[in-house]
Amino acid sequence: AQSVTQPDIHITVSEGASLELRCNYSYGATPYLFWYVQSPGQGLQLLLKYFSGDTLVQGIKGFEAEFKRSQSSFNLRKPSVHWSDAAEYFCAVAFKAAGNKLTFGGGTRVLVKP
Amino acid sequence: DGGITQSPKYLFRKEGQNVTLSCEQNLNHDAMYWYRQDPGQGLRLIYYSQIVNDFQKGDIAEGYSVSREKKESFPLTVTSAQKNPTAFYLCASSIRASGIAYEQYFGPGTRLTVT
Repeated sequence: AQSVTQPDIHITVSEGASLELRCNYSYGATPYLFWYVQSPGQGLQLLLKYFSGDTLVQGIKGFEAEFKRSQSSFNLRKPSVHWSDAAEYFCAVAFKAAGNKLTFGGGTRVLVKP
Repeated sequence: DGGITQSPKYLFRKEGQNVTLSCEQNLNHDAMYWYRQDPGQGLRLIYYSQIVNDFQKGDIAEGYSVSREKKESFPLTVTSAQKNPTAFYLCASSIRASGIAYEQYFGPGTRLTVT
């Protein structure tokens, strides 16, 4: 069965510093990859997605992510964090062979220090 | 504005009572989904529907039921058989569920507390 791991439960970063959130998935087939962001008590908003092509994808709010097939990873990055980036971030994976159902990681909560 | 609405935002029920959570979308999406979110566990799929009058169980369907009588509506009933119903429930929709993995759009969620 497919699974998604976000190894960091919490990350604290200073405003203006760079941010990298890790995501690893397990399964053999070609994945469809997503990053979502959730503010407290709210729904999820799509930041970016990867289906095929260029392995470095750009998203909203200045985020980008890189797909590395050899490492089964899809890490999210932002060069300079703003206080409004404090939220919980979820990586999600779907596989065509598994009916395209999304499997979510456990999430990483990002705290931003002034 | 197109989007997904869930009501109510907060819901309180006594143990042993069934409760129905509402989800409506005006995005003209074929597929709709229900997820349960617990702290530290990400989102887990309860049920999904690819088309009107059809739905499939997700990973944690026990104790829940759904219906899809209209394209825009996908209500979720949490029955008294659900052993631990207190959670945050999220509804989502996508253009379709088959073919390319279309991104899912999420509603604002309903927090259910059962005492």
